Amino acid sequence: GESVGLHLPTLSVQEGDNSIINCAYSNSASDYFIWYKQESGKGPQFIIDIRSNMDKRQGQRVTVLLNKTVKHLSLQIAATQPGDSAVYFCAEIEGGANSKLTFGKGITLSVRP
Amino acid sequence: ETGVTQSPTHLIKTRGQQVTLRCSSQSGHNTVSWYQQALGQGPQFIFQYYREEENGRGNFPPRFSGLQVPNYSSELNVNALELDDSALYLCASKQGLNYGYTFGSGTRLTVV
Repeated sequence: GESVGLHLPTLSVQEGDNSIINCAYSNSASDYFIWYKQESGKGPQFIIDIRSNMDKRQGQRVTVLLNKTVKHLSLQIAATQPGDSAVYFCAEIEGGANSKLTFGKGITLSVRP
Repeated sequence: ETGVTQSPTHLIKTRGQQVTLRCSSQSGHNTVSWYQQALGQGPQFIFQYYREEENGRGNFPPRFSGLQVPNYSSELNVNALELDDSALYLCASKQGLNYGYTFGSGTRLTVV
């Protein structure tokens, strides 16, 4: 079946470095993608989103890149900070705004001081 | 701090029992979804309500049921609890045709 997955389970980066978190998706019909951050004991928190008709979107310190040719999504975090330590999920939606979110398994980002 | 609140935060139940989890959505949000998140996994879609009617359901058995009431509250009911039902249950709400879901902090359910 269709799934959203992540390449690596954990990522460790030095404080101040840039982080890149990658995600592969298999549903070519997905029209919207979202990155979520989940800290321990909390629910997923929206980071940034991108529609399928775009290939790049920037926010504050974060950038999402979408490559529909290879069905790949990435999240770039500039100048990673200790507060960025969390589990990151990519999620997709197919079929419009009333459709469900399909999440990947998550990757843990650990920031070394 | 999100506008979605869930209660209780933690709950321990015995196998075979029934449980009701509650969610208070953000004001103005007429769509609410429930997700199950097992340890170390991404959230899995259970079902969604729009204006008090179910308009989407994931791969969960009928013993998972729910409702949404007009005051932006929602419930998730699980009957005949099984050990594998132990998970974090997340409620998420949004307004109309926006894509942006706001999640609550979840209810940690442990079935023993």
